[in-house]
Amino acid sequence: DAGVIQSPRHEVTEMGQEVTLRCKPISGHNSLFWYRQTMMRGLELLIYFNNNVPIDDSGMPEDRFSAKMPNASFSTLKIQPSEPRDSAVYFCASSQKRDPGGRPYEQYFGPGTRLTVT
Amino acid sequence: ILNVEQSPQSLHVQEGDSTNFTCSFPSSNFYALHWYRWETAKSPEALFVMTLNGDEKKKGRISATLNTKEGYSYLYIKGSQPEDSATYLCALRKKTSYDKVIFGPGTSLSVIP
Repeated sequence: DAGVIQSPRHEVTEMGQEVTLRCKPISGHNSLFWYRQTMMRGLELLIYFNNNVPIDDSGMPEDRFSAKMPNASFSTLKIQPSEPRDSAVYFCASSQKRDPGGRPYEQYFGPGTRLTVT
Repeated sequence: ILNVEQSPQSLHVQEGDSTNFTCSFPSSNFYALHWYRWETAKSPEALFVMTLNGDEKKKGRISATLNTKEGYSYLYIKGSQPEDSATYLCALRKKTSYDKVIFGPGTSLSVIP
């Protein structure tokens, strides 16, 4: 498997523009997570999906952020309008839910999208 | 402890030294703890997942222990090598929201050749 795929790897945009980040999870994984990494806050969970359904979006900063997962192999994170404070690295991760023993599987992270909003 | 905490924040050791660092977390409502290794310009890579009090995991020169009653986990690296240089993250899952992984701030390890 190619692992979790994210695109673009780098995005530079001007304040006010719409930004769409894309993620393809590992085939067979039924949980998908969007994280944001900043110097100040470290790695913070924005939203996660189970079986394509958003479960918890309490980490989404504000209404400018939205995420969708139209099918099991694709998710988007959209920022509209973007602001300079949105500049960060955005990671997507996927996992299966639990192993036969009931333990949670580890998450597999994509390479991240480095977003710069000027 | 309300959040996942890690100490020290950063660490510099000589090649060949053994080292360890700590992850502290709220002991109530515990479900699982993960350790990840995060190299610069790469993405976090899973090392261990632990669920039971007293769990010990080992992968090569890296091992981890878990104490759920007092709310801490130790990560040990024996005979550090330059390629061990990375940020080590621990992440907590709680029973009431086990899908929601809460990451600590990480310990940045630099191994000096």
